Amino acid sequence: TQLLEQSPQFLSIQEGENLTVYCNSSSVFSSLQWYRQEPGEGPVLLVTVVTGGEVKKLKRLTFQFGDARKDSSLHITAAQPGDTGLYLCARGGATNKLIFGTGTLLAVQP
Amino acid sequence: DAGVIQSPRHEVTEMGQEVTLRCKPISGHNSLFWYRQTMMRGLELLIYFNNNVPIDDSGMPEDRFSAKMPNASFSTLKIQPSEPRDSAVYFCASSSTSGVSPLHFGNGTRLTVT
Repeated sequence: TQLLEQSPQFLSIQEGENLTVYCNSSSVFSSLQWYRQEPGEGPVLLVTVVTGGEVKKLKRLTFQFGDARKDSSLHITAAQPGDTGLYLCARGGATNKLIFGTGTLLAVQP
Repeated sequence: DAGVIQSPRHEVTEMGQEVTLRCKPISGHNSLFWYRQTMMRGLELLIYFNNNVPIDDSGMPEDRFSAKMPNASFSTLKIQPSEPRDSAVYFCASSSTSGVSPLHFGNGTRLTVT
C-alpha cells in the first residue's frame, strides 16, 4: 500500500528551468525526509522537516512542509544536469521506520 | 568512514535456488532496514531490526523470505526458493535510533532470477 503519493512521476526539463515536485498523504506525518537516488546507488538524504510550515533551503533546492503536515514540496531553481535523479519523500512515525513515496524521476537535459 | 556495505552487488540465479544477501551496517548504528526496489512497486520496506531484534517484518512478502541479524555488524536476507518475481534491487540501510535519524543506504544488490 502506497501511503505517500508523489507527482509528477516523470519530469524532463532543460538546464536552467525551475521545477516543483510534490509529496502528498491523507494522514499526518510526524516528520518527512527527502532523498535523491542516482543510478546504481542507494538514496541519499537531502533534508528532514519536522514542523508544519517549515521551509528549508539547500543551495538551489527549497523544501516546504505543509502547515497540516500532510504534504511537502521540493522546488529546484535553475536546474542543472547534476540534479538528475530519482527524488523520494519518506515519512517517519512513532518509530524510526520510514515509508517511502512513489518517487519523481527527474532528467535535466544540458 | 565506511558506509553501509552490501554484497554481492549483482546476483544472477536460477529459479528454485537459494539466495543470500549480506549487509554490514555503519558502526554504532543500532537500527537496520531491508528494502526492495522495483519499477512497479517503488521502494518497499521488508523488515527492520533495532539492537539486532526484528521489530517489524510485515513487509516480508512470503515465508520464502527470511532475515537475520546475529550481531550488530552483520545481517542477511535469504530467499529460498527464489522465483523470477523476486528480481529487484535489494537495499540495506542503517540508522541511529536517536531522534529523527536519516537512513544511510548501501549501494544495493541487483538480483535477477531466471
